[in-house]
Amino acid sequence: DTEVTQTPKHLVMGMTNKKSLKCEQHMGHRAMYWYKQKAKKPPELMFVYSYEKLSINESVPSRFSPECPNSSLLNLHLHALQPEDSALYLCASSGPLKNTEAFFGQGTRLTVV
Amino acid sequence: DAKTTQPPSMDCAEGRAANLPCNHSTISGNEYVYWYRQIHSQGPQYIIHGLKNNETNEMASLIITEDRKSSTLILPHATLRDTAVYYCIVRVAFWGGNAGKSTFGDGTTLTVKP
Repeated sequence: DTEVTQTPKHLVMGMTNKKSLKCEQHMGHRAMYWYKQKAKKPPELMFVYSYEKLSINESVPSRFSPECPNSSLLNLHLHALQPEDSALYLCASSGPLKNTEAFFGQGTRLTVV
Repeated sequence: DAKTTQPPSMDCAEGRAANLPCNHSTISGNEYVYWYRQIHSQGPQYIIHGLKNNETNEMASLIITEDRKSSTLILPHATLRDTAVYYCIVRVAFWGGNAGKSTFGDGTTLTVKP
């Protein structure tokens, strides 16, 4: 199994809603990532978890709250988002060994109305 | 992580080789070159990576210059399904956690034409 599964695929939420994005992998990877991608732009790193601990936060606003409940799961909790937060949110994971590539999920297309 | 420079767009005829260049003149000795591609609205897909030797797999070949300041991704027989944005990323030894982040540049949009 070399898949990173993200749910939901599409999400529309109001600015006062609370929602969560979910990411799951069963490759034994110990690093997991959230990226944000706006239209026609490259992915931008948001958070990195290493061995279930947050290791990198790229100065992301607190309305985005990551959580890594175990080595296979990564969540991104969303609250009080703005329309400009509408984007494709990508999850990725990579192995503990050197030289291993990252595997990306297909993303969640988020629209904030 | 070192910064990369890629041409914004390229065209290639179907069945011909596609050669995608990447400049990474500030690359450090412990940094690898990774290539990913992203087909419209999908997640990025790993293609290949290397340190200093040329690499080949079932998808592509990676040619890294001797001074490691540039590289070329070669898709030997491009098909219409290879139309995508191709990203060249330079980063330290492995992709994980505290070793640092991987910064995507703007990439090259490759269009394969019939």
